[in-house]
Amino acid sequence: DTGVSQDPRHKITKRGQNVTFRCDPISEHNRLYWYRQTLGQGPEFLTYFQNEAQLEKSRLLSDRFSAERPKGSFSTLEIQRTEQGDSAMYLCASSFPPFDGSSYNEQFFGPGTRLTVL
Amino acid sequence: AQTVTQSQPEMSVQEAETVTLSCTYDTSESDYYLFWYKQPPSRQMILVIRQEAYKQQNATENRFSVNFQKAAKSFSLKISDSQLGDAAMYFCAYRSYTGTASKLTFGTGTRLQVTL
Repeated sequence: DTGVSQDPRHKITKRGQNVTFRCDPISEHNRLYWYRQTLGQGPEFLTYFQNEAQLEKSRLLSDRFSAERPKGSFSTLEIQRTEQGDSAMYLCASSFPPFDGSSYNEQFFGPGTRLTVL
Repeated sequence: AQTVTQSQPEMSVQEAETVTLSCTYDTSESDYYLFWYKQPPSRQMILVIRQEAYKQQNATENRFSVNFQKAAKSFSLKISDSQLGDAAMYFCAYRSYTGTASKLTFGTGTRLQVTL
């Protein structure tokens, strides 16, 4: 399967625990995005990478959140000291970069990791 | 900042009929992309259709077409000959035409039910 994969698909944790999610993008896609989707809402942008460089972070990404993409391939999203408000679906997407500043390359989404914080 | 609004939380359509999902957006930019994404239950989000704001012609993909009204900042999705497999959450999304991020801004979604 050559799609975007995410692991785990479901995570239940207790408040205050740390959790880490992994995203494997489509090979050769050097852009990788993280979004968060809470119940009844659309996905909200968290951060994105081009290769290993984290180029933008949303204000939604508090200091308890950290994302990495050490070798420009897979990415991890860690949440420290989880809170009940962190319960959401965490989506990963990947794409080729635009050929120029104005062109578009489709973002392909993974199945998401559903986090429940008790 | 750009915002996307979907005012229909749920819609229902009978199989083989046509349904239109509404989306409005707010932006000060003149060039941008608009999208409709489909999110089936427990499955990943997939792109349904894309519209470039500089194009006057409405985009069409098989049974899916859009009505893009730039002045009104309206972007509706029409699904013709609805099928059971069309049942899903549908999200309208916006992306700036330029800039390095290419992040997507989504609406809150419309849940489409397809009945026999």
